[in-house]
Amino acid sequence: QQQVKQSPQSLIVQKGGIPIINCAYENTAFDYFPWYQQFPGKGPALLIAIRPDVSEKKEGRFTISFNKSAKQFSLHIMDSQPGDSATYFCAASMRGGGADGLTFGKGTHLIIQP
Amino acid sequence: NAGVTQTPKFRVLKTGQSMTLLCAQDMNHEYMYWYRQDPGMGLRLIHYSVGEGTTAKGEVPDGYNVSRLKKQNFLLGLESAAPSQTSVYFCASSSIMTANTEAFFGQGTRLTVV
Repeated sequence: QQQVKQSPQSLIVQKGGIPIINCAYENTAFDYFPWYQQFPGKGPALLIAIRPDVSEKKEGRFTISFNKSAKQFSLHIMDSQPGDSATYFCAASMRGGGADGLTFGKGTHLIIQP
Repeated sequence: NAGVTQTPKFRVLKTGQSMTLLCAQDMNHEYMYWYRQDPGMGLRLIHYSVGEGTTAKGEVPDGYNVSRLKKQNFLLGLESAAPSQTSVYFCASSSIMTANTEAFFGQGTRLTVV
């Protein structure tokens, strides 16, 4: 049972474009929704996270949009750069994000073309 | 500050052999986790620990055992390796006190079982 569904699997965007990655969850007990960025040969690193009491969060060029009623959230990357090329994972967890660990989506391989 | 360190980085095992993966964190984190990453599957939680001397099963615990004898170390054991355990293994840790409950990941261990 996949509790967090992520799409698309892969995405190619021209430099300066706005890639959008979508995730949907099933478990209404989830209360913490982070996005992780992973470069080849490296471990994932936290990019940005949101809790369900807000509908949007921005950090630099990265924005999470959250729709609690639809149980969906998405990542937008403004003014994308080739250095943003990486694999992106959405995730969700209960009890504030600790203890029980994270449930990850399957990942999106993003390529930003120069 | 090394963060989360995994040993070894690469390993090839024959079917039926045993091995232990070591994870060490120097951030005094209470929570530690072991994930496996497979192509197209995202990261899946194997086992986790909420404190020294305590462990719990995650989503895919079969074939693995763990121990947390010291707060800074979390060991993942494979008693009788199988080809299905070929994967990249990531250890992570997080603090009970962190507002965003960020999980910090190690660099990964690439394990091949032949």
